[in-house]
Amino acid sequence: EVHLVESGGGLVQPGGSLRLSCAASGFTFSSYVMSWVRQAPGKGLECVSVISASGGHTYYADSVKGRFTISRDNSKSTLYLQMNSLRVEDTAIYYCTKIKQKLVLHDGSDIWGQGTMVTVSS
Amino acid sequence: DIQMTQSPSSLSASVGDRVTITCRASQSIDNYLNWYQQKPGKAPKLLIYAASNLQSGVPSRFSGSGSGADFTLTIGSLQPEDFATYYCQQSYSTPHTFGQGTNLEIK
Repeated sequence: EVHLVESGGGLVQPGGSLRLSCAASGFTFSSYVMSWVRQAPGKGLECVSVISASGGHTYYADSVKGRFTISRDNSKSTLYLQMNSLRVEDTAIYYCTKIKQKLVLHDGSDIWGQGTMVTVSS
Repeated sequence: DIQMTQSPSSLSASVGDRVTITCRASQSIDNYLNWYQQKPGKAPKLLIYAASNLQSGVPSRFSGSGSGADFTLTIGSLQPEDFATYYCQQSYSTPHTFGQGTNLEIK
């Protein structure tokens, strides 16, 4: 069965850093584009970052550009999100997602993790 | 970034009703449009991809249509388990932006 399990969330002060991880299983991780989507409390969904299957191409929302870095280790089937200079407005549940088709960027997310909560507060 | 606008933002309907939610992109996105359902405390679930393709395991009462900049999600006959929040998402360009959501409530 296909699974994504996020970890690394928690409480951090403004200006601090966190690194989220997403462990994948049940599919050939290295063949799929992956993304991070967040949801602030009571709000809608925001795609914050996308990474190609090889890891050679990365994309960011303007709201996190220059502060967040997406990466992946295909040998470990793990996706990461390094979050620096965190702001109160980064408080959200962060979901790891798998893009549906192999090697395709322009598709929906068919598998989602359970999410990990990030709270930025003093 | 491409802006996605859903309407309505909220909708009250009864079991058995046929409902339609619309989504408009700020530019043409061909058919790179996806629909998700989200229930409280749960991750979103993919319902429709590439505007009109039903994701495996999703009931056939869900359907999608449209191309270019205007799209619709239709639920043919509402079931109790369909009351949730629905989001559209464009995957034409990165980042894959979402609409603001439509909250479907029981009348």
